[in-house]
Amino acid sequence: NAGVTQTPKFQVLKTGQSMTLQCAQDMNHEYMSWYRQDPGMGLRLIHYSVGAGITDQGEVPNGYNVSRSTTEDFPLRLLSAAPSQTSVYFCASSYSSGRDLYNEQFFGPGTRLTVL
Amino acid sequence: TQLLEQSPQFLSIQEGENLTVYCNSSSVFSSLQWYRQEPGEGPVLLVTVVTGGEVKKLKRLTFQFGDARKDSSLHITAAQPGDTGLYLCAATSGGSYIPTFGRGTSLIVHP
Repeated sequence: NAGVTQTPKFQVLKTGQSMTLQCAQDMNHEYMSWYRQDPGMGLRLIHYSVGAGITDQGEVPNGYNVSRSTTEDFPLRLLSAAPSQTSVYFCASSYSSGRDLYNEQFFGPGTRLTVL
Repeated sequence: TQLLEQSPQFLSIQEGENLTVYCNSSSVFSSLQWYRQEPGEGPVLLVTVVTGGEVKKLKRLTFQFGDARKDSSLHITAAQPGDTGLYLCAATSGGSYIPTFGRGTSLIVHP
């Protein structure tokens, strides 16, 4: 199993450009989520999904869109990039065991995004 | 949104020293997890605690969940350079699917 994969690993954008960060998992996990990590801020939830066709907003959703057409893929779209979106982005997935208390988040390696 | 406070924010120690990091909140949690993140990588789960007063040990790491399920601690005995990393606590409550993360404790262990 590849686990959670993210592409690209690094990206530089100009203000106003759009792009899609890709995330895929091969563990048949129902739950997927996107976080951004900034120095001293820990991980902040952007959007999440509890299954194909179902998405919801997290703590910091503005400027980002998501969709979940398949169980495996959960892309994150930046509509019009801004310097404030410079960050490291992590995708994560977890399974629903019926006892969600023990759900482990499996993280991808991250995408480091710089917006000039 | 539940707020998780981690302390200290930074910790720089010598190999062989002991240390404790804390994760506190005013909210009651269903479960609490500790993750470790190494530079350039995503976080990796260390442990999950769900019962008030629970203590779990993972080699030189001891995790404790407070009796009221509002706080947790991670104690490392005889720290080694391989323990260097960012330690994050994460918690869920009230049927939440996705955990909330603290800001992390950055640990450096010098040889």
